[in-house]
Amino acid sequence: KAGVTQTPRYLIKTRGQQVTLSCSPISGHRSVSWYQQTPGQGLQFLFEYFSETQRNKGNFPGRFSGRQFSNSRSEMNVSTLELGDSALYLCASSLTQGGGVIRETQYFGPGTRLLVL
Amino acid sequence: AQKVTQAQTEISVVEKEDVTLDCVYETRDTTYYLFWYKQPPSGELVFLIRRNSFDEQNEISGRYSWNFQKSTSSFNFTITASQVVDSAVYFCALSESGNQFYFGTGTSLTVIP
Repeated sequence: KAGVTQTPRYLIKTRGQQVTLSCSPISGHRSVSWYQQTPGQGLQFLFEYFSETQRNKGNFPGRFSGRQFSNSRSEMNVSTLELGDSALYLCASSLTQGGGVIRETQYFGPGTRLLVL
Repeated sequence: AQKVTQAQTEISVVEKEDVTLDCVYETRDTTYYLFWYKQPPSGELVFLIRRNSFDEQNEISGRYSWNFQKSTSSFNFTITASQVVDSAVYFCALSESGNQFYFGTGTSLTVIP
């Protein structure tokens, strides 16, 4: 099975621009989560999607948004980019079915490295 | 308060030494899951192990072993006879009710040849 794929792998943007990142989960996985990783803040949870619905959201401003398509592929969008948005954005997929505790392992993609100038 | 604490920020060991990475978690749930991930310089988090709260058996996989102790809320990870390829950042994570993973801040392990 192919793993989680993320595109693009690297991105350079300037302040004020917007960006869209894409994530294709492992085949059969219906849950997709997004994380931001920075040296100062570590791994921070952005949001999780399951069956095209946002099921959980971290503590990020509204500039960060996402969506999931019927084929479970997900995109996240960051509008009005700020310098502090420079980070590694990681996507993870899992087989999680319903609510409650995440029982299934999250498998991560290689990430998208975003640099905001 | 941190739900997952990895107090060791950086560790350096000489090749072939054993090393233990500490993880302490906090939860009020009776059902929860604990994980370890490895993040090599390439950036991708690689899954190593999952343990549920009802299974306190220690696990060994090759040079890797995990010690889960509910009494101390710890889930420590030991690498035996470390190798240079073990150099990476290791993350401990907790999943409890609410469909969210909580990651520790990671421990950067450097194995010196």
